[in-house]
This record gives sequence, structure tokens and C-alpha cells, in this order.
Amino acid sequence: DGGITQSPKYLFRKEGQNVTLSCEQNLNHDAMYWYRQDPGQGLRLIYYSQIVNDFQKGDIAEGYSVSREKKESFPLTVTSAQKNPTAFYLCASSINGGPYNEQFFGPGTRLTVL
Amino acid sequence: GEDVEQSLFLSVREGDSSVINCTYTDSSSTYLYWYKQEPGAGLQLLTYIFSNMDMKQDQRLTVLLNKKDKHLSLRIADTQTGDSAIYFCAEPYFADGLTFGKGTHLIIQP
Repeated sequence: DGGITQSPKYLFRKEGQNVTLSCEQNLNHDAMYWYRQDPGQGLRLIYYSQIVNDFQKGDIAEGYSVSREKKESFPLTVTSAQKNPTAFYLCASSINGGPYNEQFFGPGTRLTVL
Repeated sequence: GEDVEQSLFLSVREGDSSVINCTYTDSSSTYLYWYKQEPGAGLQLLTYIFSNMDMKQDQRLTVLLNKKDKHLSLRIADTQTGDSAIYFCAEPYFADGLTFGKGTHLIIQP
């Protein structure tokens, strides 16, 4: 079955530690995205990648880093520089090109900083 | 910049119709989308409408588009407890990206 997976579902981190969230897709999509969701804030774009080995900052990239070494994978690292990292993180992917922009979402990772 | 605007909450009785409203920002948007998010899960595409359409119906869902006012609405007929979720309106943002509203929590009263 084609889809997009995120792991782990729940993640706990001590203050000052970096942590990496996994996102994998087998949909053969070129574009991948990371969003952060906080109550009452909707989705805010952290980083996106339209093609392998290329990525751009979104609206709230500070304190985060990504890599896109493979088409299927777009891991997100939450660094100790992120001041308020507790949130629900959503990864998405889409076929690149054309006006139809449906994004497919993973199930999300809930990160809690202790 | 401008935001996609939605009300945060909507409460309806089971069996009634729900109407969720959205104001988007770009009059040249080609497609507009409604996504649904159930508790603790990712978003799923519920329906979409192409900009040359005024209305689209899909079973219990009706989407209305008013391009002049940049207003999009989602009507859910015969609302059921399983419809309880957060509903996001979205429009194209950049290249192949989307920008989302803050989401409307649909609350179903028995």
C-alpha cells in the first residue's frame, strides 16, 4: 500500500537535546513538507523540499533543520535552539508540478519536551 | 501577509446541516481544498473545487465557491457524530505548496 509514514508517534525529549523525526513516503512524490501544529494556530510550514538534495525554509524554520538525500525520506531535526518545541508535527508529500496540489499527510508525531 | 480565515468552532445538532466558511486570499487560485483532521491524526483530503466551478456536490458534502468575495464554504448534510473533527480550508501558496486556515472544530451535539 502506498502512503506516508512518520515515526515515532510520541516522542519525549529533555531540554537541550536535539531530536530527529522520521518521515518516509512510497508514493514516488517529488515534494515533501514539514508542518507544526499548535492548538488554535492551524498548520505552520517549517521546511519544504521540491526535489532531492534541495529544500527551502518555510515560515518558522528557526531551530529546525532538514535533509533530503533520498526521494523517499525527509527527516526533521528539532534542535536545542528551538525555544518551544512541544507540538504536533506533520509531514506531507505531493506530486510536483501542475495546478492540482493535493498533499498527502502522515499520521503525525507528538513531541513533548520535559 | 493575508491569512486564510476560518471560524475556530462550529457546534451543530446531530442530523442538522453544518456549514463551515472560509475566506481565502488569492483570486487566481486554481483549486481550493477542504481537509479533515480527526483527533490525534494527520489531515485527509475531503474534497476540492476547481476555480471555474461555483458548486460541487459529493454525497453529503456540498462546496460553494464565490470568487468575487473569495469565499468558500463546506456544507455537510445530516451531520453525524463521525463528522466531529477539525476542518481546514487550503489554497495554493507557492510552487506546489498549500497554505491552510487555522481550522474549524466541528462539535456535534446529541
